[in-house]
Parts: sequence; structure tokens; C-alpha cells
Amino acid sequence: QSALTQPPSASGSPGQSVTISCTGTSSDVGGYDYVSWYQQHPGRAPKLMIYEVNKRPSGVPDRFSGSKSGNTASLTVSGLQAEDEADYYCSSYAGSDNLGVFGGGTKLTVL
Amino acid sequence: QVQLQESGPGLVKPSQTLSLTCTVSGGSISSRAYYWTWIRQPPGKGLEWIGYIYYSGATYYNESLESRLTISIDTSKNQFSLNLNYMTAADTAVYYCARDKGFGELTLDYWGEGTLVTVSS
Repeated sequence: QSALTQPPSASGSPGQSVTISCTGTSSDVGGYDYVSWYQQHPGRAPKLMIYEVNKRPSGVPDRFSGSKSGNTASLTVSGLQAEDEADYYCSSYAGSDNLGVFGGGTKLTVL
Repeated sequence: QVQLQESGPGLVKPSQTLSLTCTVSGGSISSRAYYWTWIRQPPGKGLEWIGYIYYSGATYYNESLESRLTISIDTSKNQFSLNLNYMTAADTAVYYCARDKGFGELTLDYWGEGTLVTVSS
């Protein structure tokens, strides 16, 4: 299972917007519309924030949005709040012979 | 509301077998819609997919763990389990069980709280 590439860190001030990228290949991110994003606070289980590139599960604020262009998916957090400070992971379907592909994670700091 | 809960030992000796169980409540593990998943996270590191099991018993494993791994399901108890043989320090991690909405999608909509497993003599 090859990993997706995320920046190790990102930051923004309260009220600002920040975008986290997730770069793969045409065999994963670029080839399918099954990109998910997870938020993980310290000591807690990950929480699904975005699935199928840009869909939000019930209860996730619309400040969180997802998109994709070519082999790169992005998570944008608008109107940053202190509670958005967390680690964020992306994942992608990569075919039946390459299951379980995650990004390395991005630590989002709210300044 | 679907809930998942991991159970098992927090400490395993090197070369021993780890056995964990995930109990699902608020929904049926026999549903054809979902794949039941194990994920782990070494301290301070990222997420690693361990494997899936489907209600039928079909399994799909991480290639790097396949030789040591067995995932099973007990639909009568609404549980699925993980056995990982020949544990080493590199297997020290928080182990999570989760529900995937589709094969390979990694749309993991419900998670257990996780259980820390330490490998040490």
C-alpha cells in the first residue's frame, strides 16, 4: 500500500481559511472519486469529515469542504476555529489490489 | 446509533499473539452494506490499514501483515476479531476497529475509541 503525500503541517489564524493537500497518482486519487478526510484530536479516534471527495457526513460543519484536481485532493477549512486544531488524514480508494491507502497526516495549528 | 468497542489485552510479550475483539452495537454486523475494518496507529505516527472482513467471512489483508494476520467474524455475537501472531515492538500501536461503507473506499464512518497495545517483555 503506497502512501498519499500530505504536508506535515499547516496553520492559520481564527477566522481565516486553510487548505490541506493530498497528492497521489492516477491509480488512486486521480482515478477514483473515493477520497476521504479524517480529523483526529489528541487521544481520540479519527472522525470522518469528508467522503467521496466533497460530501459531508451529517453533523460536520459546512466550514469543511473537499475538492479534487487531477491527482491532488484538498480539504479546506473556512472560518478557522480553535477546535479545528487537530491532525488531518486523507485516504483514497486505489483499486482492489491496493487497499487501505492513507496520507501521512497534517497537523493543523490555529494560531 | 452504531457503536464499536474494542477489547483485548493492553500488554503483549514479544513473539506472542495479539487477540482483539470489536463488538458492534446499534446495527447488524450481518449487513451486506459494510466492511468491518481494523486500523492501527503507532504512537506519534499515522494511520495504517490492517484489513477488512465482510459479513460472509471474506477477508482482505494488508500485504505487509498477511503472513501473521487472521481476521474473523461472529455474526451471532455481532463481533469481529483480529489475531496477529509473532508480535514485536514494531506492532505497538493503538488499534481501532471501524466500519467502511464500501469495499476499498476507506469511508470509515464509525470508529471504536481504540485500544493501546504495547509489546514488551
